[in-house]
Amino acid sequence: AQTVTQSQPEMSVQEAETVTLSCTYDTSENNYYLFWYKQPPSRQMILVIRQEAYKQQNATENRFSVNFQKAAKSFSLKISDSQLGDTAMYFCAFMEPRGDYKLSFGAGTTVTVRA
Amino acid sequence: SAVISQKPSRDICQRGTSLTIQCQVDSQVTMMFWYRQQPGQSLTLIATANQGSEATYESGFVIDKFPISRPNLTFSTLTVSNMSPEDSSIYLCSVEGQGGNEKLFFGSGTQLSVL
Repeated sequence: AQTVTQSQPEMSVQEAETVTLSCTYDTSENNYYLFWYKQPPSRQMILVIRQEAYKQQNATENRFSVNFQKAAKSFSLKISDSQLGDTAMYFCAFMEPRGDYKLSFGAGTTVTVRA
Repeated sequence: SAVISQKPSRDICQRGTSLTIQCQVDSQVTMMFWYRQQPGQSLTLIATANQGSEATYESGFVIDKFPISRPNLTFSTLTVSNMSPEDSSIYLCSVEGQGGNEKLFFGSGTQLSVL
């Protein structure tokens, strides 16, 4: 299994400000997929954003954007204009292009948005 | 994305008993997956459930403990057998996204507590 590391157990951010979550991974593959999932207290795992390793352009979904640094094997998530509803656990995940859809998850980062 | 319904949403069980968790999808999918999330931990893949064949289990998980059924392309069950307090976790069903876009979507999870 691939190793996915999230070094920040907890992050706190003021409403309307920006927070960046870090994620690094280890792989010898050249092509793969990276994801950020959000898990609010409801337990639902929600797909936030997806990045294909062969695409140099960083993925963006509304207030969520990534900084994908392939050489450094880094995949950070930036949440802009933070909202109270962004309070959740965020998981970074890795998928090899084998067609088996197996995900390797990081340990997660708890994000708390303060009013 | 597919709509994934998981039942029950939570349950409290006595040790030594078994619980069957159901996962229903609103569209046909080839691959379905079962994940476990132990308290305060990340997600770990239990097995891949494909219709028409036996489930494929990951290292550390066995069929006798976690039997899985996949009778059709929209439904699967996971049974947690002979439960002990160590089985207290969130169990999540997930399915591949449509169109082969390497996305994985999750149900809302089953919170299991074993006394």
